[in-house]
Amino acid sequence: GQNIDQPTEMTATEGAIVQINCTYQTSGFNGLFWYQQHAGEAPTFLSYNVLDGLEEKGRFSSFLSRSKGYSYLLLKELQMKDSASYLCAVVDSNYQLIWGAGTKLIIKP
Amino acid sequence: ETGVTQTPRHLVMGMTNKKSLKCEQHLGHNAMYWYKQSAKKPLELMFVYNFKEQTENNSVPSRFSPECPNSSHLFLHLHTLQPEDSALYLCASSPTDDTYNEQFFGPGTRLTVL
Repeated sequence: GQNIDQPTEMTATEGAIVQINCTYQTSGFNGLFWYQQHAGEAPTFLSYNVLDGLEEKGRFSSFLSRSKGYSYLLLKELQMKDSASYLCAVVDSNYQLIWGAGTKLIIKP
Repeated sequence: ETGVTQTPRHLVMGMTNKKSLKCEQHLGHNAMYWYKQSAKKPLELMFVYNFKEQTENNSVPSRFSPECPNSSHLFLHLHTLQPEDSALYLCASSPTDDTYNEQFFGPGTRLTVL
């Protein structure tokens, strides 16, 4: 079967750095998305990785290793507004989007 | 503001009721989606429409009936639901139904079935 694994919940401190991991076992790979979802709000797009390596976008970076079936989202200089759920989703070989259950990130002052 | 609106935001209904969820997108997209989001579970894709044609139905029970009158509007008609159908129902849109496209989500309808 197809599977996306993310930690259920993480806690970090304001101003610090946190890394949210996503591992996947899917039938093929055609890209990986990260979305952010604040409680009670719509998920919003953060990043899309197709090739290996690190892509940086301001305080957020996303890394992909296709050989390891692994991605992470790195959040730097954490702010209270970064408290949210972070959803990982993989496009498989049939171009189906497989979603993880999300990681709830709690930021403490 | 994501350009995708959903109404109502909250809905409580009995198992014998009939209700409809509405989604509207102002982004000029051609694909629209219905998802079910339950606590601590992955998003479940329910239906996909591309240029008003249904392109995906993920074995959704017939008590959920989608309607897409045009590329900007999507409805989900509900009847004789079960308590386990209680969830957040998210609508999304994208330029086309190609999965490499970023999807733009609405805020969702929180549905409670009594």
